[in-house]
Amino acid sequence: ETGVTQTPRHLVMGMTNKKSLKCEQHLGHNAMYWYKQSAKKPLELMFVYNFKEQTENNSVPSRFSPECPNSSHLFLHLHTLQPEDSALYLCASSQVTGGGSYNSPLHFGNGTRLTVT
Amino acid sequence: DQQVKQNSPSLSVQEGRISILNCDYTNSMFDYFLWYKKYPAEGPTFLISISSIKDKNEDGRFTVFLNKSAKHLSLHIVPSQPGDSAVYFCAAGYSNYKLTFGKGTLLTVNP
Repeated sequence: ETGVTQTPRHLVMGMTNKKSLKCEQHLGHNAMYWYKQSAKKPLELMFVYNFKEQTENNSVPSRFSPECPNSSHLFLHLHTLQPEDSALYLCASSQVTGGGSYNSPLHFGNGTRLTVT
Repeated sequence: DQQVKQNSPSLSVQEGRISILNCDYTNSMFDYFLWYKKYPAEGPTFLISISSIKDKNEDGRFTVFLNKSAKHLSLHIVPSQPGDSAVYFCAAGYSNYKLTFGKGTLLTVNP
């Protein structure tokens, strides 16, 4: 069983909807991340939180709004999305701060498959 | 500009043979490299890593080779098993900076 749990697994939403993705890590890690995986593209880093503080916003549009209430939970709030935002959204955590290092690799959840209609 | 490239979108090998997955990078600042494996409907899982001070790291059936002068690394799986069929991602980083991922290579191991 993965130490990083994401809900929901699948989400279909209209462009005017507001929804949230949830991530919880059970590994005692200090850093959490949101990644986006689109078809035929590399994994794209969206946001990084270290000890609940956002340390990176990788030029993500404001229609994506992250929230990290504590070091175990991470949310991604979605509003007025576009069809091109349809993708697999992956949450990850790592022990040390930074982007995931040689001896502290990222641990990913199973992702939320988002479809925007 | 893609700093980490996996030029083969797919690879097919027979069970028991060697699988070789390749990855090229352009940023000479990268000082560590990782391979992740991803099954359908699951998130990527960490497989093996290598620091730039080494040229080889081995873990069971999996070996990663690093050629810094060529800015190239490869993952060898010997012997390949059907359960190894998955997408393999190469990733690179430096000084705990954010990882840069390749697009992935789909490996199919045929029984």
